[in-house]
Amino acid sequence: SAVISQKPSRDICQRGTSLTIQCQVDSQVTMMFWYRQQPGQSLTLIATANQGSEATYESGFVIDKFPISRPNLTFSTLTVSNMSPEDSSIYLCSVVVGQHQPQHFGDGTRLSIL
Amino acid sequence: GENVEQHPSTLSVQEGDSAVIKCTYSDSASNYFPWYKQELGKRPQLIIDIRSNVGEKKDQRIAVTLNKTAKHFSLHITETQPEDSAVYFCAATSNSGYSTLTFGKGTMLLVSP
Repeated sequence: SAVISQKPSRDICQRGTSLTIQCQVDSQVTMMFWYRQQPGQSLTLIATANQGSEATYESGFVIDKFPISRPNLTFSTLTVSNMSPEDSSIYLCSVVVGQHQPQHFGDGTRLSIL
Repeated sequence: GENVEQHPSTLSVQEGDSAVIKCTYSDSASNYFPWYKQELGKRPQLIIDIRSNVGEKKDQRIAVTLNKTAKHFSLHITETQPEDSAVYFCAATSNSGYSTLTFGKGTMLLVSP
C-alpha cells in the first residue's frame, strides 16, 4: 500500500498564527482527504482535497479557516488559519489509491495552540 | 447525510474471551463498511472491511457481519489478546471508499491478561 508522510508530526503554536500541514504520498492516488480528531474523539472529515481545483468542504468547515491545496496526485496541504485553543487536535490526511480501494491514513499532526 | 451509531463506548474483557462491537447506519445506500483500529498515539489502521453484497467476512480472529435489512454491522474478535487493546472505529460510505466515510464514535477495548 502507499506510504503516507505527514509533516510536521506535532507543533505548538501561538493563537492567531497559521500552520500548514503537508501530506506526501509515495505513489499517485485518486483521492485525498483531511480529517480532524479532537482529543478522545472520533474522526471528522474536514474536506476532500481535489487535484487542481478547490477542495470540497464538509458542513461546519470553511475555506477561509482551512485552506487546502492539492497541486498533483501525490501531495496536499492543509492550513489551519488564525488558530485558537479550540483548534488543538490531531489532523490526519487519508488517501484512496484506486477504485474500490479502502482509505489509508497518515500518522497525523498533533497540534496544540497556546 | 449518513449517521453511524457505535456501541459500546468501552468494552473490557479477559484475555481469551470474545469481543463484539456493533454499529448501525442510517443511509440505506451505504454499501461499504470498514473497521479501523487505533492504538494510543498511532494512526487509524484498517483491520477488515465488508461490502454490501457480502453478509460475513473473516480474517483469522476477526470477523465482520452485515445485516442490510436491519442496517447494522458488527465486529467480532475471538480469543482476544492484550495487544488487541485499542480504540476501534466503524465507518460507512456509499461509494466503496471513494466517497466520504462517516465514522462511529469509537469503542475502547481493554483486554486484561
